[in-house]
Amino acid sequence: QVQLQESGPGLVKPSETLSLTCTVSGGSISGSYWSWIRQPPGKGLEWIGYIYYSGSTNYNPSLESRVTMSVDTSKDQFSLRMSPVTAADTAVYYCARVERTTSTAPGHYYYYMDVWGKGTTVTVSS
Amino acid sequence: SYELTQPPSVSVSPGQTARITCSGDALPKKFAYWYQQKSGQAPVLVIYEDRKRPSGIPERFSGSSSGTVATLTISGAQVEDEADYYCYSTDTSANHWVFGGGTKLTVL
Repeated sequence: QVQLQESGPGLVKPSETLSLTCTVSGGSISGSYWSWIRQPPGKGLEWIGYIYYSGSTNYNPSLESRVTMSVDTSKDQFSLRMSPVTAADTAVYYCARVERTTSTAPGHYYYYMDVWGKGTTVTVSS
Repeated sequence: SYELTQPPSVSVSPGQTARITCSGDALPKKFAYWYQQKSGQAPVLVIYEDRKRPSGIPERFSGSSSGTVATLTISGAQVEDEADYYCYSTDTSANHWVFGGGTKLTVL
């Protein structure tokens, strides 16, 4: 059974770079899509983006200019970098595995997050 | 940008049926998915592809979709079902992935 674990600094200064890593265990990172989602305190879920094991990415347009995702298949890890950060980036950050299913329309697929990590809290403060 | 709209809160007594709606323009063409999030925990998938239930999810959880509205139904809601529920889907191109704003379900 696949499990995900987020790791990284819990405190980041404003204008600096947030860096998080998600380690996949109980399975391989290869062949799948992987995603990051965040949740500010007391607020709802926000999709940040996804990365395919091959390295292709797709980001939330509202965050695209500040976000970079990468993957290390040798370590079964994928990562998130966000820069520069402000207090509004304070949130619990989750990594998740993406399940892709086939649509009846040729070349079209459905994507959803089926396995989530427990989340890690990142606070942006000086 | 694409949006999914949910009611902020729903309240029922134990044993009653709770219904949470999610509206979005692309739902006639895209599946809805539902996540349950209890306080301090990560979200858990309770319904996928409009109406399918993952293994381990109680039968009282069901989903449906008609036109631009998807609905999560909890038949005979129990106190342990108190949680925030989020719908999720994508736009028609599947490029933009979106969560609804979340619905707080109170069972008391």
